Amino acid sequence: QLHLQESDPGLVKPSETLSLTCTVSGDSITRSNYFWAWIRQPPGRGLEWIANIYYSGTTYYTPSLKSRITVSVDTSKNQFSLKLSSVTAIDTAIYYCARQRISSDLDNWGQGTLVTVSS
Amino acid sequence: QSVLTQPPSVSAAPGQKVTISCSGSSSNIGNNYVSWYQQLPGTAPKLLIYDNDKRPSGIPDRFSGSKSGTSATLGISGLQTGDEADYYCGTWDSSLRGVFGGGTKLTVL
Repeated sequence: QLHLQESDPGLVKPSETLSLTCTVSGDSITRSNYFWAWIRQPPGRGLEWIANIYYSGTTYYTPSLKSRITVSVDTSKNQFSLKLSSVTAIDTAIYYCARQRISSDLDNWGQGTLVTVSS
Repeated sequence: QSVLTQPPSVSAAPGQKVTISCSGSSSNIGNNYVSWYQQLPGTAPKLLIYDNDKRPSGIPDRFSGSKSGTSATLGISGLQTGDEADYYCGTWDSSLRGVFGGGTKLTVL
């Protein structure tokens, strides 16, 4: 059974870089026709799609965050990662990783990890 | 401000049916599949409907989806108190980036 687990950075200081890793088990991250995605949800608010990556390294980023985001994949560890630079309080959110079928749905989600930006 | 537009809240009595709308444009819903997600309080979203109208294994047929033009609709019949949750529609834009609706809070009276 597919399982996705986000790392837990907890508290990140303003202006620093938020780093998250999603570990995938129960499936290979190199599986064809699937991207691996990051989504976030500020407390009490809706979902925001951030980015996704294919195992080959092809990435898509949401325009509003593109200048601050780096997404990468490590096929040897069956993991993919998100780095968000120059964070501020508005980046405080629950961050989810998920598996995404090409041009379709997000069919499996991690439990999410709350990242708080505060000094 | 979300790319897709959903009503903030809907409500209905147990056993009744409710529909949740999701409005977009030709650059997103109009040319891509729509999916729906259920988020129970304190949990991660869960896929409810994919490819406009298909249900993943384990999702009861009380949940249905449809799409017409640049809008989509989620239907929930035989409402149960356990259906109280936030519901989100999602799709892709012309640049293959994901977009969501703002979410709809369902209250079962």
